[in-house]
Amino acid sequence: IQMTQSPSSLSASVGDTVTITCRASQGINNYLAWFQQKPGKAPKSLIYAASSLQSGVPSKFSGSGSGTDFTLTISSLQPEDFATYYCQHYKTYPITFGQGTRLEIK
Amino acid sequence: EVQLVESGGGLVQPGGSLRLSCAASGFTFSDHYMDWVRQAPGKGLEWVGRIRNKANSYTTEYAASVKGRFTISRDDSKNSLFLQMSSLKTEDTAVYYCVRSSLYYFDNWGQGTLVTVSS
Repeated sequence: IQMTQSPSSLSASVGDTVTITCRASQGINNYLAWFQQKPGKAPKSLIYAASSLQSGVPSKFSGSGSGTDFTLTISSLQPEDFATYYCQHYKTYPITFGQGTRLEIK
Repeated sequence: EVQLVESGGGLVQPGGSLRLSCAASGFTFSDHYMDWVRQAPGKGLEWVGRIRNKANSYTTEYAASVKGRFTISRDDSKNSLFLQMSSLKTEDTAVYYCVRSSLYYFDNWGQGTLVTVSS
């Protein structure tokens, strides 16, 4: 199953709300996760089951979707939110990731 | 607090072998599936493989790119996860992350260890 994210990069301002999309090449129900990675750091898990927040993740992050189309929305962007975001399916093996979306400060 | 600490990375020649370890603490290690994920320099994330827990017979799954060359194992008595890598190729150069899984999805990540395959 191939995961395709769009856009590949995105410029936004502090305070903005942004949406990243992820499309699976075949249906994956809701076996979809989102991760955040900052330069030089390990990824951090944000969302699982398409819309469930990992423990400790603020509610400014939200996910939606089912089947093949999914979104990650980040509201009220703060400087610490500028990072690269990856989606991932875990419905079958091999588990695969999207190519990443780099969120930059405008 | 969940902690995952990888070790064992370094420089190895093409065709060589290396064994990575991941020391887990702060949770009941034996209950969880565990995964390895890697990231080549400047590239995205690539799942390497998974080992299930004892209840699921410690069975494993691998990405096609490493199947037959890499072996994942665990020692629940020592709260440790391992990745034995052999027949290493230059394209295996990456940071390798140990990841805890809960009900199939990833939740906690280690800080990573760098493996460089070069002559």
